Amino acid sequence: AQSVTQLDSQVPVFEEAPVELRCNYSSSVSVYLFWYVQYPNQGLQLLLKYLSGSTLVKGINGFEAEFNKSQTSFHLRKPSVHISDTAEYFCAVSDPGRRALTFGSGTRLQVQP
Amino acid sequence: NAGVTQTPKFQVLKTGQSMTLQCAQDMNHNSMYWYRQDPGMGLRLIYYSASEGTTDKGEVPNGYNVSRLNKREFSLRLESAAPSQTSVYFCASSETGGGGADTQYFGPGTRLTVL
Repeated sequence: AQSVTQLDSQVPVFEEAPVELRCNYSSSVSVYLFWYVQYPNQGLQLLLKYLSGSTLVKGINGFEAEFNKSQTSFHLRKPSVHISDTAEYFCAVSDPGRRALTFGSGTRLQVQP
Repeated sequence: NAGVTQTPKFQVLKTGQSMTLQCAQDMNHNSMYWYRQDPGMGLRLIYYSASEGTTDKGEVPNGYNVSRLNKREFSLRLESAAPSQTSVYFCASSETGGGGADTQYFGPGTRLTVL
């Protein structure tokens, strides 16, 4: 069975500071990894995904994530955050044999001026 | 192009009442999904449909039924609502019928309260 652990439920950060949101997963097979963002009172939208190839994945809005197979991690980073990045971020995992995603519990990013 | 739409946006039910949550997508996607979102638990899959005419149980299917009415529409029914079903419900769709690599596109959600 697959599982996803997001180590921080909340991350407060000041505007223009760097941020890292942590995600660890467990799976017995090759994985696909995703980060989704949920802005207040909206549905989720894809930030980025790792399917294969380069372990550094770039997404929308200046976010990037690095797949680390040995540490079973897929941490999300942004070098300089904006107030508009305030949202909840979900890490998710799937694999070639599954149709659906397994989500982590989410990390609430709070960007303060 | 509206993407994924859900109705209603909000609903309050009494224990034992029934209701159907509606979902439609206009992206010609094959797969559709229903999730529930509870505080501190992320999203959990209730049911999904890999293609028109097929449905499969997800992680938390008890107390729910689904219908894939056609390629566009996927409804979720609560036959006898319980307070434990108070949640935010999201519908999603993806292009292909399987493989796990697809991007899922989410609707805006339905906030359901069961008293």
